[in-house]
Amino acid sequence: AQSVSQHNHHVILSEAASLELGCNYSYGGTVNLFWYVQYPGQHLQLLLKYFSGDPLVKGIKGFEAEFIKSKFSFNLRKPSVQWSDTAEYFCAVRSAWTGGFKTIFGAGTRLFVKA
Amino acid sequence: NAGVTQTPKFQVLKTGQSMTLQCAQDMNHNSMYWYRQDPGMGLRLIYYSASEGTTDKGEVPNGYNVSRLNKREFSLRLESAAPSQTSVYFCASSAPTAGSYTFGSGTRLTVV
Repeated sequence: AQSVSQHNHHVILSEAASLELGCNYSYGGTVNLFWYVQYPGQHLQLLLKYFSGDPLVKGIKGFEAEFIKSKFSFNLRKPSVQWSDTAEYFCAVRSAWTGGFKTIFGAGTRLFVKA
Repeated sequence: NAGVTQTPKFQVLKTGQSMTLQCAQDMNHNSMYWYRQDPGMGLRLIYYSASEGTTDKGEVPNGYNVSRLNKREFSLRLESAAPSQTSVYFCASSAPTAGSYTFGSGTRLTVV
């Protein structure tokens, strides 16, 4: 069965520290990859997405992610986090299947940034 | 503003009561989804509708029913609420080629 694994459930960083959140998926076919962010008390918002082309994609608010096909990974990075990045981050993988597409979400990583 | 609108935002039910969560989108998206979000489990798909007139089960459909009333509206019904259905429910929609979802603001449901 397809699955999405986010390695860290909770991450605590100080402001200006660098961030890398891991995401691995299990699916051998063509995939579209996404990172969503959920700020406290809010709904999920799209941070960035990868469909094809350059495996290093840039999103909003200084976030980027790198697709490494051989490792089935799509890790999220940010060089210097801010207090306002405190949120929960979800990796999602969309794949083709009978009848259309299906998107599976990871369990999420809660990031807390200390001011 | 264009987007996905969910009602209500909060609801408390007693075990055995029924209710319907409403969702409407004004982006002319074909596909709509209902997810539940539980701590440590991420988002799990309850039901989805690939297009108007079709609905299909997701990962956790038991205890729920859905109706795709028209292209804009997709409702989720709990016929006999159970404490295990205490969760935050999100509706989402997507266009066929976009891939990404637009989410509603969620409904926090507590079943006592």
